[in-house]
Amino acid sequence: GAGVSQSPSNKVTEKGKDVELRCDPISGHTALYWYRQSLGQGLEFLIYFQGNSAPDKSGLPSDRFSAERTGGSVSTLTIQRTQQEDSAVYLCASKLSGRGGTDTQYFGPGTRLTVL
Amino acid sequence: GENVEQHPSTLSVQEGDSAVIKCTYSDSASNYFPWYKQELGKRPQLIIDIRSNVGEKKDQRIAVTLNKTAKHFSLHITETQPEDSAVYFCAEFLRGGSQGNLIFGKGTKLSVKP
Repeated sequence: GAGVSQSPSNKVTEKGKDVELRCDPISGHTALYWYRQSLGQGLEFLIYFQGNSAPDKSGLPSDRFSAERTGGSVSTLTIQRTQQEDSAVYLCASKLSGRGGTDTQYFGPGTRLTVL
Repeated sequence: GENVEQHPSTLSVQEGDSAVIKCTYSDSASNYFPWYKQELGKRPQLIIDIRSNVGEKKDQRIAVTLNKTAKHFSLHITETQPEDSAVYFCAEFLRGGSQGNLIFGKGTKLSVKP
């Protein structure tokens, strides 16, 4: 079946511009995560959505970062007034939680963001 | 607080040798421990996982062991091959914990030399 998809796969932008990154989770998955991965580094947690609950935004590095999840499915990560240090790969993951679900996360291919 | 320590950060082995990566977790209530493999430029993919009610799990050349008393778990790769070269991440799942219940280690870069 279809896995987690993300778009765009690559995004080059100029410093100060806003960007939107999209994540389409696996159909039916109720949990959705965003991570940031700088070159050669680990997975930096950004935000977590679970069903209709309020998201866990504790990992967002600044108020320039925000995310939404509409209709419990597609999610958009928005970075306003981008800075060069925002350059990284942004990974989305989804998980089927609740009764019958597992604890396994499935990752998307990521969006490589480059801020010039 | 919740934390996963992963060692070593880099590991280089000769093809055919074994590789072992170890992770230590902090919360005894954690009950699920997955391992992800991330090849260069690719997404992390689950390769094996273990739940807290078992001590070992094997899948062909890879195995994971869990020591609940010492709160550590390890990934074992036998007869390594060049295609095993990747970054490996461990994680602990703690229901009700932070970061969406899943805490990742910082990763181990494994290089298998032919």
